[in-house]
Amino acid sequence: QVQLQESGPGLVKPSETLSLTCTVSGGSISTYYWNWIRQPPGKGLEWIGYIYYSGSTNYNPSLKSRVTISVDTSKNQFSLRLSSVTAADTAVYYCARSGLGLLEYWGQGTLVTVSS
Amino acid sequence: QTVVTQEPSLTVSPGGTVTLTCASSTGAVTSGYYPNWFQQKPGQAPRALIYGTSNTYSWTPARFSGSLLGGKAALTLSGVQPEDEAEYYCLLYYGGAQEVFGGGTKLTVL
Repeated sequence: QVQLQESGPGLVKPSETLSLTCTVSGGSISTYYWNWIRQPPGKGLEWIGYIYYSGSTNYNPSLKSRVTISVDTSKNQFSLRLSSVTAADTAVYYCARSGLGLLEYWGQGTLVTVSS
Repeated sequence: QTVVTQEPSLTVSPGGTVTLTCASSTGAVTSGYYPNWFQQKPGQAPRALIYGTSNTYSWTPARFSGSLLGGKAALTLSGVQPEDEAEYYCLLYYGGAQEVFGGGTKLTVL
């Protein structure tokens, strides 16, 4: 059974860069697409972007200028960097595995608060 | 800006049937949008229920089914159980360019 676990700072200052890592266990990262999704408190889900194990990426156009997703196949991890954060970036951040047209396995999520 | 629209809230009686829908601002939803459905309970991560319009996972209860209905993606719950009370989200794929979630439907079982 594939499991995903997010990790990273729970508090980030405004204008700084949010960095999170997702560790994949129970399966290899060297296939499938690996996604980041977020959910502001009390609101809906927003797809941030994905990376294919080969390194190709696709980002939400509304976040594209601030987002970088990278993969480290040797550690079975992938990462999210979101620059120039504001309070509007406060959310629970989820990592998830997807295939062609399906978003199958999700991490439990981690809350990131942007505040000084 | 592509918008995916769901009913904000629906109420159903235990044992009843309810259909949730998912519409796209770009026009009719087809199988090419690979509609996905997710269930989220308070304090939990979303759980995948349906992919590719109507395909289920091994963990999807048999009372959940997906379809296309009147130009929208649809999720039907037949024989609703109290534990089905949750927020439900659809997801549409737009030609590999982006993936867009609907705003969610809060389903109350009453």
